[in-house]
Amino acid sequence: DAGVTQSPTHLIKTRGQQVTLRCSPISGHKSVSWYQQVLGQGPQFIFQYYEKEERGRGNFPDRFSARQFPNYSSELNVNALLLGDSALYLCASSLYFDALSYEQYFGPGTRLTVT
Amino acid sequence: QQQVKQSPQSLIVQKGGIPIINCAYENTAFDYFPWYQQFPGKGPALLIAIRPDVSEKKEGRFTISFNKSAKQFSLHIMDSQPGDSATYFCAASKIRGFGNEKLTFGTGTRLTIIP
Repeated sequence: DAGVTQSPTHLIKTRGQQVTLRCSPISGHKSVSWYQQVLGQGPQFIFQYYEKEERGRGNFPDRFSARQFPNYSSELNVNALLLGDSALYLCASSLYFDALSYEQYFGPGTRLTVT
Repeated sequence: QQQVKQSPQSLIVQKGGIPIINCAYENTAFDYFPWYQQFPGKGPALLIAIRPDVSEKKEGRFTISFNKSAKQFSLHIMDSQPGDSATYFCAASKIRGFGNEKLTFGTGTRLTIIP
């Protein structure tokens, strides 16, 4: 089975530009989460979606937005890019065994560099 | 109250040794504690996870020990191999039901296994 896929792999943008990152979850997974991982740190939670609804939002500015599509794929948008937005952006899909049991699987990430 | 503190920052162990990585959490509402392994340029991979109703869980060469009263948990890697050299992250979340989980990660431990 294919894992979580993300595109593009790498991206270079200029300050002030906008970027869209894409994610396809593992087949059958209905929840997608986005994380930002700055070099040398642990991932930081940005958003979680379940069945196309936003279920959680981390402490990130409104320049960050996301959505989930009917096929459960997702996009993360970042507007007005800052140098500090340079990071590895990780998408994760969640498998729920029941309402109180789950596992979260990560994709390979999109490396965003803002110059 | 959302922090997860991880130590040590880096660890060097000889092949066959047992590296131990420790994490401490503050939020007593957390009830799911996974460990992830990350190789350079890759996304985190789920290794093993534990719920607070058990004090220890083993999967292959990986063991989680959990101390609920101390709000601490640790990862032990038995018979460590050079291929285990990677960055390890502990994480924690509160399970609220479908799509309402966000993982709070530790800062990571860079493990090196020398032959």
